Amino acid sequence: SSELTQDPAVSVALGQTVRITCQGDSLRSYYATWYQQKAGQAPVIVIYGKNNRPSGIPDRFSGSSSRNTASLTITGAQAEDEADYYCNSRDTSGKLLVFGGGTKLTVL
Amino acid sequence: QITLKESGPTLVKPTQTLTLTCSFSGFSLSTSGVGVGWVRQPPGKALEWLALIYWDDDKRFSPSLQSRLTITKDTSKNQVVLTMTNMDPVDTATYYCAHHYGSGSFHWFDPWGQGTLVTVSS
Repeated sequence: SSELTQDPAVSVALGQTVRITCQGDSLRSYYATWYQQKAGQAPVIVIYGKNNRPSGIPDRFSGSSSRNTASLTITGAQAEDEADYYCNSRDTSGKLLVFGGGTKLTVL
Repeated sequence: QITLKESGPTLVKPTQTLTLTCSFSGFSLSTSGVGVGWVRQPPGKALEWLALIYWDDDKRFSPSLQSRLTITKDTSKNQVVLTMTNMDPVDTATYYCAHHYGSGSFHWFDPWGQGTLVTVSS
């Protein structure tokens, strides 16, 4: 399978915790990478591997994985976290790449 | 510091071939594990992976676009070129190139270029 499925939209109250999920068969073998994309900007990596944050990414962002589902959790969401979030991984063959359809996060 | 920048036409006609160049600095495409990928995003839509070229010249393509895509690298110039044949209005999108690294069960695109908007119209 070469698909990664995300919920189209999620909302969270300011300061609360939100989980964005990504489902796909390939996630049983490969980690998801998560990207944040704000309006009019290029994507920025926020989580890669088991739960690794690049330098400059706040520690309120964390990642986890279970069976065929990868999750991005934002603990204490801030207004600046409002963005589209995409998961990305290899496909089940391990040779190709695939993106999820993206989740639009609204911070209320 | 790694930087990438896409360049190419902003407007192409239907059936024409699109040629995009990714010029980068801060890394070498001859380093083991390193690659450069292309990703596009139609206006208001999701990211779509197109192609990836590795340091050893291994090339991978999206199955849905493989017949239309070519990717090459010029290590001495620090450039990667993507060509897409038979352009159609549905190919209108912002095209990004990005530095890629992968090892075992994880990989990432980081950083990304600023992207270049390509419009397909007669």
